[in-house]
Amino acid sequence: DAGVIQSPRHEVTEMGQEVTLRCKPISGHDYLFWYRQTMMRGLELLIYFNNNVPIDDSGMPEDRFSAKMPNASFSTLKIQPSEPRDSAVYFCASRGDRVRNSGANVLTFGAGSRLTVL
Amino acid sequence: GQSLEQPSEVTAVEGAIVQINCTYQTSGFYGLSWYQQHDGGAPTFLSYNALDGLEETGRFSSFLSRSDSYGYLLLQELQMKDSASYFCAVRISGQNFVFGPGTRLSVLP
Repeated sequence: DAGVIQSPRHEVTEMGQEVTLRCKPISGHDYLFWYRQTMMRGLELLIYFNNNVPIDDSGMPEDRFSAKMPNASFSTLKIQPSEPRDSAVYFCASRGDRVRNSGANVLTFGAGSRLTVL
Repeated sequence: GQSLEQPSEVTAVEGAIVQINCTYQTSGFYGLSWYQQHDGGAPTFLSYNALDGLEETGRFSSFLSRSDSYGYLLLQELQMKDSASYFCAVRISGQNFVFGPGTRLSVLP
């Protein structure tokens, strides 16, 4: 298994531009999570999906952020318009739904997308 | 709200034993996880405790006391490659994991 795949690995953009981050979860995983990591705020959960349906988006900072999961193998996180304070590493993670073993308790993270907004 | 506390930094020498503590106050509790993150890398899963007691996996062990809202990660026979940040994370609901601020471990030769 190739693990959770994220793209781009690095993105540098100017304030006001649209940014789209992409994620391919591990095949068979039913849950997908988007986290943001900064020095000041640590790892914050932005949103998570179950079977492609958004379940909890209370961590999404504001309307400039949106996330979609059109199918089981693809999700996007979009920021429009981007601002310098959005600069962070954005991680996608997935996990299975096998509640009778440890798989349900293990988050597998992608390598992250480092976003810099100038 | 959710609150997890960890020491910000720990330093130890190769071959030593180090313990990283985590205390938590959360609205729910299903279990306590530990993740390792090297600089520039992704968090990787180390352990999960749902019940009180000690779980051992090679050089790493994790402990949980639900009554004390406390857990720790124990790293034995430290190696240089163990230099990383370590995060505790509480599973507060069926699907939601809240992460602590992280502890940066430096292993000296």
